Amino acid sequence: LAKTTQPISMDSYEGQEVNITCSHNNIATNDYITWYQQFPSQGPRFIIQGYKTKVTNEVASLFIPADRKSSTLSLPRVSLSDTAVYYCLVGDMDTGRRALTFGSGTRLQVQP
Amino acid sequence: SQTIHQWPATLVQPVGSPLSLECTVEGTSNPNLYWYRQAAGRGLQLLFYSVGIGQISSEVPQNLSASRPQDRQFILSSKKLLLSDSGFYLCAWERQGLNEKLFFGSGTQLSVL
Repeated sequence: LAKTTQPISMDSYEGQEVNITCSHNNIATNDYITWYQQFPSQGPRFIIQGYKTKVTNEVASLFIPADRKSSTLSLPRVSLSDTAVYYCLVGDMDTGRRALTFGSGTRLQVQP
Repeated sequence: SQTIHQWPATLVQPVGSPLSLECTVEGTSNPNLYWYRQAAGRGLQLLFYSVGIGQISSEVPQNLSASRPQDRQFILSSKKLLLSDSGFYLCAWERQGLNEKLFFGSGTQLSVL
């Protein structure tokens, strides 16, 4: 499965847009990209998922370029409650290969 | 709706003692099941996953083992805990199929002293 690389940490202020990029240079044709959010002492929570181009839901957007070697999670107008660790996960669509390995994640700190 | 139960929430165990953590999923059948461990301030380490009863894949060789005695039950065990086994243990499930997402339990904070 493709290895992912993310910035260790990012800082932002309330109301700003935050973009977190994940690199996955050896992504395979069968791989899809999923982002999770984790608060302290809790399990990660699904944010958004995509395979190519752009996906948007009520909380975030996911941008995936044509070569799919990276992806960018965009959080519009962040608030203090968005302070968390964000993980990018590249997963194989093959139902028999389920070694879903998370990267180190990006710790986002939102300031007032 | 589907729910995942994981217990206990916290556990303090002496070095060399055994361990058993249990995870159960309700409201679905034949889920893929996962055990992850997270050391303090670190990322998630995949320990085991299972795509069916009795089918366990180990990702990290260590003194931990996993079993899936029933379709929606996943157990993490150790015969003798080490100090390095301390951490936050998370169970997760996903529906079998394409492009599925993981749902995590509330976790067990294990301290080995």
